[in-house]
Amino acid sequence: EAQVTQNPRYLITVTGKKLTVTCSQNMNHEYMSWYRQDPGLGLRQIYYSMNVEVTDKGDVPEGYKVSRKEKRNFPLILESPSPNQTSLYFCASSHRLAGGTDTQYFGPGTRLTVL
Amino acid sequence: QKEVEQNSGPLSVPEGAIASLNCTYSDRGSQSFFWYRQYSGKSPELIMFIYSNGDKEDGRFTAQLNKASQYVSLLIRDSQPSDSATYLCAVNHSGAGSYQLTFGKGTKLSVIP
Repeated sequence: EAQVTQNPRYLITVTGKKLTVTCSQNMNHEYMSWYRQDPGLGLRQIYYSMNVEVTDKGDVPEGYKVSRKEKRNFPLILESPSPNQTSLYFCASSHRLAGGTDTQYFGPGTRLTVL
Repeated sequence: QKEVEQNSGPLSVPEGAIASLNCTYSDRGSQSFFWYRQYSGKSPELIMFIYSNGDKEDGRFTAQLNKASQYVSLLIRDSQPSDSATYLCAVNHSGAGSYQLTFGKGTKLSVIP
């Protein structure tokens, strides 16, 4: 079964305490990305990765880091979380099949609260 | 500034009617266009994508693209209560195989039984 998993699903933390949200996909997709979703602002891309060791900034990268050491994993790192990073985070993996069909799967989301 | 605009709704349609969802975008270089459905408390689900001007049909869904007018729409025929959700439009600013997406804020659709 095609799957994108995220952990943890819920996290409450305090300002400044480093945290990592993991993302893993089982579809061998080259492309992975992280989004945050906030009321009134919609989904915004944080970082994306086109393949192993290839990452780039999305629209709202400040305060976040990512790494892509393996094709299946794309962790999101908050070195020093702040309350404005309280949000719902989604990881996604994507692939364009031969013939031009796009496939894309989102993880279940991680609800992060920074106090 | 790459912007994607959607009417936030809510859009209410009776069961069996056609729901029409609209989206405009600012970046003329945009390559591909996506529609997602997101149920409350769930993750987005890709339902349609379109690359070329014109219509693309998949079951009860039709995506329409007009690059000259920078406009993409989604029609849902024979709307069902299970179609009640928020629909997100996304625009890809990069080439094939890459997904640098800018999303609209979504249109909430309610299908009334």
